[in-house]
Amino acid sequence: TQLLEQSPQFLSIQEGENLTVYCNSSSVFSSLQWYRQEPGEGPVLLVTVVTGGEVKKLKRLTFQFGDARKDSSLHITAAQPGDTGLYLCAGGFYGQNFVFGPGTRLSVLP
Amino acid sequence: SAVISQKPSRDICQRGTSLTIQCQVDSQVTMMFWYRQQPGQSLTLIATANQGSEATYESGFVIDKFPISRPNLTFSTLTVSNMSPEDSSIYLCSYRRTSETEAFFGQGTRLTVV
Repeated sequence: TQLLEQSPQFLSIQEGENLTVYCNSSSVFSSLQWYRQEPGEGPVLLVTVVTGGEVKKLKRLTFQFGDARKDSSLHITAAQPGDTGLYLCAGGFYGQNFVFGPGTRLSVLP
Repeated sequence: SAVISQKPSRDICQRGTSLTIQCQVDSQVTMMFWYRQQPGQSLTLIATANQGSEATYESGFVIDKFPISRPNLTFSTLTVSNMSPEDSSIYLCSYRRTSETEAFFGQGTRLTVV
């Protein structure tokens, strides 16, 4: 069973600060997805990365996939209260069902 | 993307009873899934709901406890049977178009067993 680790588990920052959260595995991903989940809602996809070394930007969010496709990072610039939520990475392993990481719970204080 | 809706959104149930959660998608989808999310934790896959055949359960989950129906390509139900307080959790249905693409989720059912 492939396992994903995410760090930090919790993060509380002030509005305007930058932050990076991480997703790691001992196994290679065929693809990796990042989701954000707000209270009372299901997770919503932010990005999918499939190529080692790939960098994708979504407004203030920058996603990077490690060269070896075993890790990924999500960097948020100038965080806003609307960024508050649970950030989940999900790893796909060559046709197997995606496995979700434990998540990073982010709180951005105004 | 197809709209996915789930009901009930929340319920409080007595131990020993059963609750059936419904998941409706507004267009046909191949792959439907049921997840459990315990308080403060991530998503754990319960099973893949297969249209016209028995669901495929993940390790630690059994059909007697979590019977699943998938009568067509737009609808599925999950029943939580003989509930105990340990079953208190959020239950989420989800679909994917293919195994590698985006997962869409319902808003979840928050279940409390007392």
